[in-house]
Amino acid sequence: NAGVTQTPKFQVLKTGQSMTLQCAQDMNHNSMYWYRQDPGMGLRLIYYSASEGTTDKGEVPNGYNVSRLNKREFSLRLESAAPSQTSVYFCASQVQYRGFDGYTFGSGTRLTVV
Amino acid sequence: EDKVVQSPLSLVVHEGDTVTLNCSYEVTNFRSLLWYKQEKKAPTFLFMLTSSGIEKKSGRLSSILDKKELFSILNITATQTGDSAVYLCAVVDDKIIFGKGTRLHILP
Repeated sequence: NAGVTQTPKFQVLKTGQSMTLQCAQDMNHNSMYWYRQDPGMGLRLIYYSASEGTTDKGEVPNGYNVSRLNKREFSLRLESAAPSQTSVYFCASQVQYRGFDGYTFGSGTRLTVV
Repeated sequence: EDKVVQSPLSLVVHEGDTVTLNCSYEVTNFRSLLWYKQEKKAPTFLFMLTSSGIEKKSGRLSSILDKKELFSILNITATQTGDSAVYLCAVVDDKIIFGKGTRLHILP
């Protein structure tokens, strides 16, 4: 099925561990995004990638790194997880076509850092 | 600083009521305003608005944008329990900026 696929869906990490959240889209979209969602905070942008090979910081980039190796995939890495990074993470991709801003979200990754 | 403010933050109404959700914004280079519905998982797209005064409608949901006063409203008529969700407003300029959402709960 076409869309945005995120893995894993759930993860528990110990403080200091590292992990990579994977995101892939098969819609040939140029732009991809990583958000975190915390209670009462809405969706906050961590990093985004306007095209293959480019990445830019969003609102809350500290503690994260990203990689856009090809057009399909945009991964988010936590090098040394902290309890403050407990959150739900969403990947999204975007196409702008004839003035239409279409965003598609993945189903999310619920991360708990203990 | 670019920002998107939604109100109210939460709302509880009875089935059959009509609700109006608000979204105001301040951004540098407005391109479009988006409404999403989020239940248990990822947000799902409802509307995209780019022009003032043109109502977008889908069943019992409708939305309109006022680019002069910098706000949008989302109306839901004859609410049903299935409308219970968080409704997110987002504004697109160079990036997409989300509001904190309105949590709507419909009582049977």
